[in-house]
Amino acid sequence: KAGVTQTPRYLIKTRGQQVTLSCSPISGHRSVSWYQQTPGQGLQFLFEYFSETQRNKGNFPGRFSGRQFSNSRSEMNVSTLELGDSALYLCASSTEDPGAGGKLFFGSGTQLSVL
Amino acid sequence: GQQVMQIPQYQHVQEGEDFTTYCNSSTTLSNIQWYKQRPGGHPVFLIQLVKSGEVKKQKRLTFQFGEAKKNSSLHITATQTTDVGTYFCAASPNTGNQFYFGTGTSLTVIP
Repeated sequence: KAGVTQTPRYLIKTRGQQVTLSCSPISGHRSVSWYQQTPGQGLQFLFEYFSETQRNKGNFPGRFSGRQFSNSRSEMNVSTLELGDSALYLCASSTEDPGAGGKLFFGSGTQLSVL
Repeated sequence: GQQVMQIPQYQHVQEGEDFTTYCNSSTTLSNIQWYKQRPGGHPVFLIQLVKSGEVKKQKRLTFQFGEAKKNSSLHITATQTTDVGTYFCAASPNTGNQFYFGTGTSLTVIP
């Protein structure tokens, strides 16, 4: 079974631009979560989708948005990029709600650098 | 905001020494999970604890869930260089589905 696939692996953008990251979950997994990882802040929860619906959202500004398609693939978008958005963005899929015990399978992440 | 605190942030040990990381929450947790992230890698699921006072072992790793379901620990006996990485706890409070990761403990094992 293929793992969680994230594209692109690396991305360099400049301030003010927008970016779209893609995540393909493990086949059969309907829950997709996104996390931002930085050295100083650790893993910060962005949002979680299940069956195309956003069920949970973390404490991030509205510039961060996401969606999930009918095949469970998910995208996240960051508009008006800021230097502080530089981070590793991790996508994780699970068969059920992580809060209910669904274990997360992470992709390798997208390393975003904002110059 | 962050609801799960983890200590210590860093730990350096000589190979063969033991290591423990602690995870604490101000609210009761429905379950707690532990993940390991190797340098340059992504977090990998280790274990899940659900019951109050639960103890689980995986070879040299021992995981505990507190009686009040507000804290947890991961203990590694006789560390090896393959144990190097950052260990994260992750949990959800009873009242919601928000899933929080602890700040992580970075383990360095000196050969």
